[in-house]
This record gives sequence, C-alpha cells and structure tokens, in this order.
Amino acid sequence: IEMTQTPLSLSVTPGQPASISCTSTQSLLHSDGKTYLYWYRQKPGQSPQVLIYAVSSRFSGVPDKFSGSGSGTSFTLKISRVEAEDLGFYYCMQTKELPYTFGQGTKLEIK
Amino acid sequence: QVQLVQSGAEVKKPGASVRVSCESSGYTFSSYDINWVRQAPGQGLEWMGYLITNGGKTGYAQNFYGRVTMTSDTSMSTAYMELSSLRSDDTAIYYCARANRTTYVFDVWGQGTLVTVSS
Repeated sequence: IEMTQTPLSLSVTPGQPASISCTSTQSLLHSDGKTYLYWYRQKPGQSPQVLIYAVSSRFSGVPDKFSGSGSGTSFTLKISRVEAEDLGFYYCMQTKELPYTFGQGTKLEIK
Repeated sequence: QVQLVQSGAEVKKPGASVRVSCESSGYTFSSYDINWVRQAPGQGLEWMGYLITNGGKTGYAQNFYGRVTMTSDTSMSTAYMELSSLRSDDTAIYYCARANRTTYVFDVWGQGTLVTVSS
C-alpha cells in the first residue's frame, strides 16, 4: 500500500490552521472493522512521536488542536492553531497490511 | 518510566554487518511488539520489520529480505536488529519502536542509532 501526502511542505503563520492530506492506494479499512491509519510528528533532531491513531483518536497527551479524519483511502490531519513548537515533519502511516508504509512526510514551517 | 534505549553509533565498511540493540525498561517487554524503522539522511521514514517478542515471529519488508534479522532476549528485555552486506545507502538512523498489540500504535521510540557505511 502506497501512501501519498500533500502538500510536501507548508509554511503557516502562528495561530493559523494547517491541514495535511494523506491518500492510500488501497482502503485501510480492515476486515476487523478498524482503520489502521496513524499520524506521527518528528521534531528536528528527535524520534517520531504518535499524534493520532485509528484515523481520529488522539494519543494520550496530544493536545486537542490536533484532529484526524477520513475513511477508506483519504485522510486528513488538521492543526487548528499552529504554534512554533509544531514545526517538524508529519507522516501518515498504515499498518493494515504488510509491509507497513509511511507517507513521504510533510514539512511544517512556521512563518 | 517507559523507555527504549538503543546502542551507540556505528561506522562500518561496505559488506560488513551491524547489530543494533534496543533495551526496554518500565514495562513488560514481552507484552509489546518491537518494530524497526530507518531514516536515511534528509529522507523520510522507512519501515523495516517487526518482531513479536513473545514467540519470536518476525516479518520483514521486502527491501531487506535475506539481509535483516530481528531477535530478542527476553531475559534482558532487549531487542536486536542485525543488517548484513551493508552498502553505502544503508547509512541511516535506525529506530526501534514499541507497538501496542491492540491499536498497533508505535507509542514509544528509541533515540535512534546512526549507522554509517563508508569505505
């Protein structure tokens, strides 16, 4: 399953929203009824960290300014109000089937 | 405190092998799978494979078939990833990540190990 993110980069003014799209070449809806789509953020010089799992569930400790949506093959990560600390790369990932795959990554810059 | 601590940076010659360790603490090692992900310089994330820690079953990305081996020592709460026949394009940061078996979230990551392949 190939994952494609758009845009590959975006520059956002603090306080403004941001949105990243992710599409997959196959539906990520598993026969168990779950959709195995995740969003990870990698801040500069750090290991990735999970933001969203199962399309729209925020991981523990993730602020509610992050939200995920979508179904099937089309997904979106939204940041309601970007802050300076949000800069980094954002990756979508699927674990519906092997091999697990990541999107190319979206670089979020702060204006 | 739940954490994964990886072994230090390595410099290897082409054709050699490297083994990276990933020591867990703060949780029951055999209750979570370990996945390995790598990141070449300036590039994105590439999933390499998984290890089911209670049983040892593995699954590898096709790019690494025949070159990668993922194992664990439950008594030491440590996972290992060995990559052989190293090439220059294997130069990357290698991460281990804990996977929750219910949600399959990669919820804890190691700090990464830089492997440099150079003659």
